[in-house]
Amino acid sequence: DAGITQSPRHKVTETGTPVTLRCHQTENHRYMYWYRQDPGHGLRLIHYSYGVKDTDKGEVSDGYSVSRSKTEDFLLTLESATSSQTSVYFCAIRGGPTDTQYFGPGTRLTVL
Amino acid sequence: DQQVKQNSPSLSVQEGRISILNCDYTNSMFDYFLWYKKYPAEGPTFLISISSIKDKNEDGRFTVFLNKSAKHLSLHIVPSQPGDSAVYFCAASARSSGSARQLTFGSGTQLTVLP
Repeated sequence: DAGITQSPRHKVTETGTPVTLRCHQTENHRYMYWYRQDPGHGLRLIHYSYGVKDTDKGEVSDGYSVSRSKTEDFLLTLESATSSQTSVYFCAIRGGPTDTQYFGPGTRLTVL
Repeated sequence: DQQVKQNSPSLSVQEGRISILNCDYTNSMFDYFLWYKKYPAEGPTFLISISSIKDKNEDGRFTVFLNKSAKHLSLHIVPSQPGDSAVYFCAASARSSGSARQLTFGSGTQLTVLP
């Protein structure tokens, strides 16, 4: 258990509404990541953080923003959700000397 | 342009036999490789990794082989067990990604171990 929780675990929303997903870690790790998983694409990086208030874009960042005001929390926001953002979202952390990332349980988001 | 490719979407193996999952990559800057296992409705779980300075790493029933000249890695599971049935993702990171060491994932292979 890597000490990562995600909330909510499931969410159904409508097109055009804002949505915020939360990732919380108890490990005090510096690096945190947001991915989305879609059939045929594996996991694709949305945004990542390398410290409080330090974030950067990943491969599929359009339509998403992130914030990290505390070491333990990394928030992913969809300002105006679209149906193409229906996906399963995973948060991950990394803190050791290797590149190994440890994943949370995921949030299944459906945008109608 | 997929830098990490898993060309077999699915694989079925008999219990007790060897499972071999394959992964190819195109980015010569990748220097660390990982395998993750994922059950439905759960997050990916780290399985095993290998640095580019090695060509083999073993952990119990799991062995990862790296062929740098062919840009190919494989995961061997011996013997396969029904509980190994899951989606397996390979992933890679590159020196060029800086301290964040982003991972690039393949699309996954669904392994089914038949009893």
